[in-house]
Amino acid sequence: DAGITQSPRHKVTETGTPVTLRCHQTENHRYMYWYRQDPGHGLRLIHYSYGVKDTDKGEVSDGYSVSRSKTEDFLLTLESATSSQTSVYFCAITGQGRGSGNTIYFGEGSWLTVV
Amino acid sequence: AQRVTQPEKLLSVFKGAPVELKCNYSYSGSPELFWYVQYSRQRLQLLLRHISRESIKGFTADLNKGETSFHLKKPFAQEEDSAMYYCALRDSGGSNYKLTFGKGTLLTVNP
Repeated sequence: DAGITQSPRHKVTETGTPVTLRCHQTENHRYMYWYRQDPGHGLRLIHYSYGVKDTDKGEVSDGYSVSRSKTEDFLLTLESATSSQTSVYFCAITGQGRGSGNTIYFGEGSWLTVV
Repeated sequence: AQRVTQPEKLLSVFKGAPVELKCNYSYSGSPELFWYVQYSRQRLQLLLRHISRESIKGFTADLNKGETSFHLKKPFAQEEDSAMYYCALRDSGGSNYKLTFGKGTLLTVNP
């Protein structure tokens, strides 16, 4: 497996509190992504990054912000958690080019419950 | 805009039967197509990518640009194939490498 870890792996938080999920990679890959996985919706892109300090919104970015101050870390913040943000969050990473070197690897997921 | 459609949410077959998981896409450029598999509560794993044209665990998939499809096939399903399967498309024509997923098909292989 690629060197990609997510933390925390499980978290229960209260509505209205801020939450930060961390994705850490040791592959020096340029591209990093945050997805949420929900039944009936598959995986939906929240935000992604194409370099340090370079980020862009995905299809479900409302209520989320991200930061990438160094290559290896991509942080996802729920500024004020709501119950609709209860989900499993996956981080993914990939390199450049069209060859096998740009395989997309996923983290193990972070289970977030907002009560 | 890029879009991936997996028309079947659920697919149930018997062990030894052929299986086909459908995937259609819409994309204006030159796409990269992938199949990912997720076993219960685990991370997604790459199963196939169209540019490699290889067979993994007996699965194959052919990109049909005319029909904009990338169906996943296996001639003889095994119980251990039971999992969630996601088709995905990547925009590699730009600079962001955004990966878009279908909603997934849950495959159950019955003994």
